[in-house]
Amino acid sequence: AQKVTQAQTEISVVEKEDVTLDCVYETRDTTYYLFWYKQPPSGELVFLIRRNSFDEQNEISGRYSWNFQKSTSSFNFTITASQVVDSAVYFCALRGGNQGGKLIFGQGTELSVKP
Amino acid sequence: GAGVSQSPSNKVTEKGKDVELRCDPISGHTALYWYRQSLGQGLEFLIYFQGNSAPDKSGLPSDRFSAERTGGSVSTLTIQRTQQEDSAVYLCASSFIAGVADTQYFGPGTRLTVL
Repeated sequence: AQKVTQAQTEISVVEKEDVTLDCVYETRDTTYYLFWYKQPPSGELVFLIRRNSFDEQNEISGRYSWNFQKSTSSFNFTITASQVVDSAVYFCALRGGNQGGKLIFGQGTELSVKP
Repeated sequence: GAGVSQSPSNKVTEKGKDVELRCDPISGHTALYWYRQSLGQGLEFLIYFQGNSAPDKSGLPSDRFSAERTGGSVSTLTIQRTQQEDSAVYLCASSFIAGVADTQYFGPGTRLTVL
């Protein structure tokens, strides 16, 4: 079975703090992709990053960075120097090579960044 | 516009009525997906289309739910005899093809309220 777990339901930080959002996944597929999406208060899911199962290099994009570790089945997301505009619900998702088109989402982590 | 569009943005209906939700994918995207987001269940896959065919309908919760896609473009999700538990935000996404690597881009959603 495929599963994504985001154990942190809510996180609250003060602006400029660093914050890490955890994502743990389960799959039996050898080829799979992992995704992060952001859902701001407006409601639309915004794509952030895609990572395939064969590429464990960490990735950095501005204040955002991602740490993919197959050994622990984790794909964690770090925001450095958080800003109020980062306040949103963040979803981690999995798409397996043998599972057709669907994304399996975690329950989401609601991040609140206070000024 | 260049993104996925959905209509209506909000729909309020009475229990027992039928509703139709529409999704217009990104131009050139051959794959189209429907998801449902509710407080208790998170983000759930419903169905996806590759062209006009639906290879995976496994997420449709009951036979009251159906979807079609014609002309490889617009899709309609129909819910017959709506129930209160159908209240949710219905999200549509599209991707270039339904490959495991393809990123799904989401529309703004239709918020359905069944009274």
